Amino acid sequence: DVKVTQSSRYLVKRTGEKVFLECVQDMDHENMFWYRQDPGLGLRLIYFSYDVKMKEKGDIPEGYSVSREKKERFSLILESASTNQTSMYLCASSAPGAYSPLHFGNGTRLTVT
Amino acid sequence: AQTVTQSQPEMSVQEAETVTLSCTYDTSESDYYLFWYKQPPSRQMILVIRQEAYKQQNATENRFSVNFQKAAKSFSLKISDSQLGDAAMYFCAYRSRQGGSEKLVFGKGTKLTVNP
Repeated sequence: DVKVTQSSRYLVKRTGEKVFLECVQDMDHENMFWYRQDPGLGLRLIYFSYDVKMKEKGDIPEGYSVSREKKERFSLILESASTNQTSMYLCASSAPGAYSPLHFGNGTRLTVT
Repeated sequence: AQTVTQSQPEMSVQEAETVTLSCTYDTSESDYYLFWYKQPPSRQMILVIRQEAYKQQNATENRFSVNFQKAAKSFSLKISDSQLGDAAMYFCAYRSRQGGSEKLVFGKGTKLTVNP
């Protein structure tokens, strides 16, 4: 069965800290995604990667960066966490092709104080 | 840029009855895919159903079916014989078929409550 694992379910960080959110998939998928989910705003794409070391900005990349050194792992980095980055973060992966569904992790609830 | 609109922030349905969730989208493309995802309170998002725009036949998956109206850019989800386990957030999503565009664009979601 398909599995996308996010390293933390809940995370509390202080303003200004560097934060790493980790995501691992076991399906050998080329595509990986980081979305942010906020009430009333739905899911907004932060970054996605279509291959190792390849990445593209999504709709809200400001304040974030990503790393994909291995195919199975896609990390989201908050260079200097701010309170407006308090949110639910969802990682997903998919095979190539627009018809391929996304497989999601359980999400990381990040609180920045 | 494509946009997806879900006009119903919340819906409720009685157990065993039928409910329809609305979704409209805006695009200038003629070939694309549409998806409905479900996010139960446990949070993991799962695929409910998907539709290819070039197929006129509406997709069905057991109790879930869609009403795809391409000219009207409408993609509603019908849930028949609603069950308590159907209670969740439902997200409509659009994905271009153009090469190199792997992004999904999501709507803001509809929260479905199922009343016993």
